[in-house]
Amino acid sequence: KQEVTQIPAALSVPEGENLVLNCSFTDSAIYNLQWFRQDPGKGLTSLLLIQSSQREQTSGRLNASLDKSSGRSTLYIAASQPGDSATYLCAVSSGKYNFNKFYFGSGTKLNVKP
Amino acid sequence: DVKVTQSSRYLVKRTGEKVFLECVQDMDHENMFWYRQDPGLGLRLIYFSYDVKMKEKGDIPEGYSVSREKKERFSLILESASTNQTSMYLCASRDSGAPLHFGNGTRLTVT
Repeated sequence: KQEVTQIPAALSVPEGENLVLNCSFTDSAIYNLQWFRQDPGKGLTSLLLIQSSQREQTSGRLNASLDKSSGRSTLYIAASQPGDSATYLCAVSSGKYNFNKFYFGSGTKLNVKP
Repeated sequence: DVKVTQSSRYLVKRTGEKVFLECVQDMDHENMFWYRQDPGLGLRLIYFSYDVKMKEKGDIPEGYSVSREKKERFSLILESASTNQTSMYLCASRDSGAPLHFGNGTRLTVT
């Protein structure tokens, strides 16, 4: 069964810093990987989707990379802002016959201090 | 922008009640999902549907059922609510190979 791990569980940085969030998965046979943010008490907001054939995706200050062979993805946030404070989750879609099966990490709780 | 709407943000129900959680998406997505999210356990898939009237069990289907009579609407049913079903319930939808989009969640409390 696919297992998704996110390290660290929590991270606190001063405003303006560049930072990297990590996601690892045990089975490299994935269809795609998606990064989300979740604000307290809310649903998940989609940030970036990387297909299994891609190496990275970018959106504004966010860049996500994927290394399937090593089972790793990183989310890079440039010039962090207090508004970036949230929990960030990654999810991988995998499963021999079922591409709708998503496995979620437990998230990294990010606090950006003004 | 994709919009996934869950009918209630907060619900309080009594043990034994039948509970309906409704979810509507406006992008004609094929696939719809129900998850629950609990501290320390993360997101767990309850059921998903890949077409009208089609459904598949997820990892924790016990105590739940679903209904998808129209493409845009996916309902989660708690046949007889129990206190261990107190949780945040999240609906999501997607087209195959496309991003998963979530609603804002329904926080259900069963007393």
